[in-house]
Amino acid sequence: GESVGLHLPTLSVQEGDNSIINCAYSNSASDYFIWYKQESGKGPQFIIDIRSNMDKRQGQRVTVLLNKTVKHLSLQIAATQPGDSAVYFCAENIDASGGSYIPTFGRGTSLIVHP
Amino acid sequence: NAGVTQTPKFQVLKTGQSMTLQCAQDMNHNSMYWYRQDPGMGLRLIYYSASEGTTDKGEVPNGYNVSRLNKREFSLRLESAAPSQTSVYFCASSAQGVREETQYFGPGTRLLVL
Repeated sequence: GESVGLHLPTLSVQEGDNSIINCAYSNSASDYFIWYKQESGKGPQFIIDIRSNMDKRQGQRVTVLLNKTVKHLSLQIAATQPGDSAVYFCAENIDASGGSYIPTFGRGTSLIVHP
Repeated sequence: NAGVTQTPKFQVLKTGQSMTLQCAQDMNHNSMYWYRQDPGMGLRLIYYSASEGTTDKGEVPNGYNVSRLNKREFSLRLESAAPSQTSVYFCASSAQGVREETQYFGPGTRLLVL
């Protein structure tokens, strides 16, 4: 789960290990989810997405799992590399006014990869 | 394609000063967004523009105004800066603002209000 206060949840792993980053969402009506990666000093960048009619989606070295029953997402990174060190956010696109959708972001998890 | 660009990269203001943060995108996107990011917190939406000519408040609009100047440009204005507005500001855009769509982010503007 997420911690309170100013400090992000942090996951420290060794290079080559697999990493699992978790995210809980609140809106049971949400049906589209995105993982973003934010490197230090940069804006967030899209990694992978998943629709609610799926429970798993794979990309290159990344897999997203969706458990709608408990409203939980996870991002798995295989063979983690130092370049994967970043803050990872999950986001859900929610209804806004006028038929548009806006993303709501979680607080993020800091991934630190040790060589 | 430059994607989403923001100016300035850094800014220091005194309390009460005003400034405008600029954002432009060259992807012909309809929707644009302004977020702020504070230490240990996720991105919080300030304002968004679903399409040219429209703007709407997000989660934390107080103290800010926006202008969707044209399809490419979306500016954020601080009329009277306060220390609580010290933050990193990100602009983003998306093609249609629809559910199954990702956003593209700019590099951010780091603002310090003294």
